[in-house]
Amino acid sequence: AQKITQTQPGMFVQEKEAVTLDCTYDTSDQSYGLFWYKQPSSGEMIFLIYQGSYDEQNATEGRYSLNFQKARKSANLVISASQLGDSAMYFCAMREGTGANSKLTFGKGITLSVRP
Amino acid sequence: NAGVMQNPRHLVRRRGQEARLRCSPMKGHSHVYWYRQLPEEGLKFMVYLQKENIIDESGMPKERFSAEFPKEGPSILRIQQVVRGDSAAYFCASSPLLDTEAFFGQGTRLTVV
Repeated sequence: AQKITQTQPGMFVQEKEAVTLDCTYDTSDQSYGLFWYKQPSSGEMIFLIYQGSYDEQNATEGRYSLNFQKARKSANLVISASQLGDSAMYFCAMREGTGANSKLTFGKGITLSVRP
Repeated sequence: NAGVMQNPRHLVRRRGQEARLRCSPMKGHSHVYWYRQLPEEGLKFMVYLQKENIIDESGMPKERFSAEFPKEGPSILRIQQVVRGDSAAYFCASSPLLDTEAFFGQGTRLTVV
């Protein structure tokens, strides 16, 4: 089974509206971390937000929030007030185990296009 | 504090040549990870290194690929006798000890012609 599943083929959103990008994960570990990265057309990987499995509150970073539903094993990214610069690929990733010595497993990504 | 630095940004090699990709982690970070991204794909883990040690190389192809992170200097990902299928973006990430976030470099885009 895939560890990270991102099934939305491509998303479109109107500028200034909110958009949700879906991510489900599969792990038997009790301790894990979930990440979202943005990859614009220039190619770099930009860290957006992190959610630990033991965090009781949903993570927020500015316009980004993570809708963490542990029982459903989902970690959806919500972008509020979309901007044209948000157009990019978005990757969900998971780190299993604790500490810095665990690799990230990435999903295949979702393309987001923001319309003016 | 400079970010993770990768060079070169773009590398073109002919089939059979060697490719050497360099990664300087963020200051204070002693953990380095290499990932490969094929076109239209997510990133796939290759290898995790600490200074002078390979910790996890479960994602590295068994042949032609090697990685090192010496006591002094950058981490190097080396691909010998490159083939067209090695064409990809190679990303390096670093983490400080016991932190949660992995910060990525801008990647090296390898094209094998």
